[in-house]
Amino acid sequence: GQNIDQPTEMTATEGAIVQINCTYQTSGFNGLFWYQQHAGEAPTFLSYNVLDGLEEKGRFSSFLSRSKGYSYLLLKELQMKDSASYLCAVGYSGAGSYQLTFGKGTKLSVIP
Amino acid sequence: EPEVTQTPSHQVTQMGQEVILRCVPISNHLYFYWYRQILGQKVEFLVSFYNNEISEKSEIFDDQFSVERPDGSNFTLKIRSTKLEDSAMYFCASSPGDAGELFFGEGSRLTVL
Repeated sequence: GQNIDQPTEMTATEGAIVQINCTYQTSGFNGLFWYQQHAGEAPTFLSYNVLDGLEEKGRFSSFLSRSKGYSYLLLKELQMKDSASYLCAVGYSGAGSYQLTFGKGTKLSVIP
Repeated sequence: EPEVTQTPSHQVTQMGQEVILRCVPISNHLYFYWYRQILGQKVEFLVSFYNNEISEKSEIFDDQFSVERPDGSNFTLKIRSTKLEDSAMYFCASSPGDAGELFFGEGSRLTVL
């Protein structure tokens, strides 16, 4: 099975940097994903790591250490619109199947 | 940009009634999924579908649930006899292959009274 842990809530100031951590235990690992979800909306894809290291995409970066079962999402130059839930998800490949398993999400509040 | 579309956006039904939620995945994608999210809770996997058959299903996906790809474009989730606890947002998703991101639709909010 899969077990994914991330903090429930975080608060950060507009313009600052915030790091959201995620730890996981899984079999059949096939990638670590970060999605953003605004209240009442669908998850939208932010980033994907399959190898160890840092992936940078504009204001967002994501890091993966497979040996430690650890990832983080780094958001720079925070804007008010970044207030949302950030979902850590693990890609799982089994016998002829593929799916993502999501953590409970971290609700980020950006304050002025 | 291609997207996954879902209908209806919101459906209200009485307990015990049958509901069909519809999805049109991205046209060249091969893997299709249904997820659900109960209000305030996490996004939960229900079922994956590949090559015209279920490839994996979760414990949630019991006998009251079924999926179908009736033609070359639609992918449906049927809940045979709805219960109060089926009230949730149901997301359809698709992916081009067995790796990489899933593309989610906007969701169908189901309210069971």
